[in-house]
Amino acid sequence: GAGVSQTPSNKVTEKGKYVELRCDPISGHTALYWYRQSLGQGPEFLIYFQGTGAADDSGLPNDRFFAVRPEGSVSTLKIQRTERGDSAVYLCASSPDRVQPQHFGDGTRLSIL
Amino acid sequence: DQQVKQNSPSLSVQEGRISILNCDYTNSMFDYFLWYKKYPAEGPTFLISISSIKDKNEDGRFTVFLNKSAKHLSLHIVPSQPGDSAVYFCAASARGASGSRLTFGEGTQLTVNP
Repeated sequence: GAGVSQTPSNKVTEKGKYVELRCDPISGHTALYWYRQSLGQGPEFLIYFQGTGAADDSGLPNDRFFAVRPEGSVSTLKIQRTERGDSAVYLCASSPDRVQPQHFGDGTRLSIL
Repeated sequence: DQQVKQNSPSLSVQEGRISILNCDYTNSMFDYFLWYKKYPAEGPTFLISISSIKDKNEDGRFTVFLNKSAKHLSLHIVPSQPGDSAVYFCAASARGASGSRLTFGEGTQLTVNP
């Protein structure tokens, strides 16, 4: 069956611009997670959704980052006033519930020039 | 504060031999541990997991061992195959807390030579 889908696969933009990254989880998965991976590091947690609500957003680095999941399926990660330090691979994962293993998409590689 | 550490950035083994990847953690609240494999330009793929109530879990060629007193876990791959060459991440979560967010180690690059 279809896995977690993330679009775009690559995004290049200028410093100060606004970006949106999209995640389509596996059908029926109620838990959705966003992570960020910098070169040479493991993924770092950003935010977790259970259904439509953000149950844990403690990993968001600052208020330029925001995420939504309005209908409990697709999620969008939004970054305002991008900075060069935001450059990373942004990974989305989903699971049937919060205790099952998470399944990851291939990520969006974000480059801020 | 690195709560999950993989001290070996790389490991090289011969095809057919055993690969042992190690992981240490510091947070005693962690009660669920997972291993992921990652190929370049792809997302991490779930391999195997273990709950803190067990000390061993096996799935085919992959076995994970957990030593709670030492806060240490390891992944054994037997026999190793060239297709196993990838970056392996150890991850941990505290499932009793909200969300089961994963905390990852830095990864170990495994190379299996034919």
